[in-house]
Amino acid sequence: GQNIDQPTEMTATEGAIVQINCTYQTSGFNGLFWYQQHAGEAPTFLSYNVLDGLEEKGRFSSFLSRSKGYSYLLLKELQMKDSASYLCAVLSGGSYIPTFGRGTSLIVHP
Amino acid sequence: GAVVSQHPSWVICKSGTSVKIECRSLDFQATTMFWYRQFPKQSLMLMATSNEGSKATYEQGVEKDKFLINHASLTLSTLTVTSAHPEDSSFYICTTGDGYEQYFGPGTRLTVT
Repeated sequence: GQNIDQPTEMTATEGAIVQINCTYQTSGFNGLFWYQQHAGEAPTFLSYNVLDGLEEKGRFSSFLSRSKGYSYLLLKELQMKDSASYLCAVLSGGSYIPTFGRGTSLIVHP
Repeated sequence: GAVVSQHPSWVICKSGTSVKIECRSLDFQATTMFWYRQFPKQSLMLMATSNEGSKATYEQGVEKDKFLINHASLTLSTLTVTSAHPEDSSFYICTTGDGYEQYFGPGTRLTVT
């Protein structure tokens, strides 16, 4: 089976930087996704990491360390609209169906 | 990416009735679609894999006779919640994939009273 762990909730200030961590235990790792999900809506794709290192995409960056079973999503210049749940999802065991973590609810306040 | 629609976006039904949720892939030949369920503040849990022209594959613990899946064409999969109960109230999301990329439908909020 898989075990994906991320904090339940985080708060941050508008304009600041926040890092959301995700740790996982799995066999046959094939990649890790980050999704953003606003309340009552479907998740939207943010990033996909399969190799170690940092992938930067505008205000959002995602980091992966396969040896540590660890990833983080970095959000810069936070905006109020970034308040959402952020889901970490892992591909493993040759499957192309991701297993999702519980999500981290991020609250951005003025 | 592909566009996936779901209908209805929300539905309220009485306990004991059945509800059908449609998932359509508007611009993508979806041989496989996935149905997820998400309870409040919980993760997306895979319920079943829907295969065009054949029987769905259900995850452990999901009752196939309660959650009927039909995938009769490359653009349409349906999930019917039969004899719904309040504990079936949840957010149901369908997705289809192209390699490692997943395209999500907007979800259907089901409330059973």
